[in-house]
Amino acid sequence: AQKVTQAQTEISVVEKEDVTLDCVYETRDTTYYLFWYKQPPSGELVFLIRRNSFDEQNEISGRYSWNFQKSTSSFNFTITASQVVDSAVYFCALLIQDYKLSFGAGTTVTVRA
Amino acid sequence: GAVVSQHPSWVICKSGTSVKIECRSLDFQATTMFWYRQFPKQSLMLMATSNEGSKATYEQGVEKDKFLINHASLTLSTLTVTSAHPEDSSFYICSARVSSNYGYTFGSGTRLTVV
Repeated sequence: AQKVTQAQTEISVVEKEDVTLDCVYETRDTTYYLFWYKQPPSGELVFLIRRNSFDEQNEISGRYSWNFQKSTSSFNFTITASQVVDSAVYFCALLIQDYKLSFGAGTTVTVRA
Repeated sequence: GAVVSQHPSWVICKSGTSVKIECRSLDFQATTMFWYRQFPKQSLMLMATSNEGSKATYEQGVEKDKFLINHASLTLSTLTVTSAHPEDSSFYICSARVSSNYGYTFGSGTRLTVV
């Protein structure tokens, strides 16, 4: 069975600090997809990134970057120069061939001004 | 594109009554939709998968007679919480597969409070 672990429950930083969110996944499938979503206080889920299991290239999008390492089954997410608007709950999720997303427990990020 | 509209965004109902939550795909056809439940400060738990024109598939532990799912068209899936009780109070979110490349889009969620 697949599983996603986000060991960090809460992270609090001061504005402009960098913050890295850890995500470790488990699956026996060789083909899978990994996602990161942001859930602000309003509740809706905001899609951030999707990565398939055959693409280990790291990605940068503005202040966001992702580090995918199959060798350690990790898909970590870094916010550079954090801002108050980054305060939210961030979920890592795994998708295998059954099309069902498995979410991690989420990490609450609080950015203080 | 690929927007899912979920209504209502919040609802308060009395114990014993039923509540219907709607999810509509606005600019695409959603053959498969997913319903999640999220308790405060917890993760999203998949409740069921709904396929257009067929019966929904429920996850283990989810009462199908209590959470009725209907997916009668390619653009609409509904979740009805029947005989609601305070323990059903939660945040419910729907999601739809956008395309075969594993894109997913989520509704804005419905906060249900049963009093």
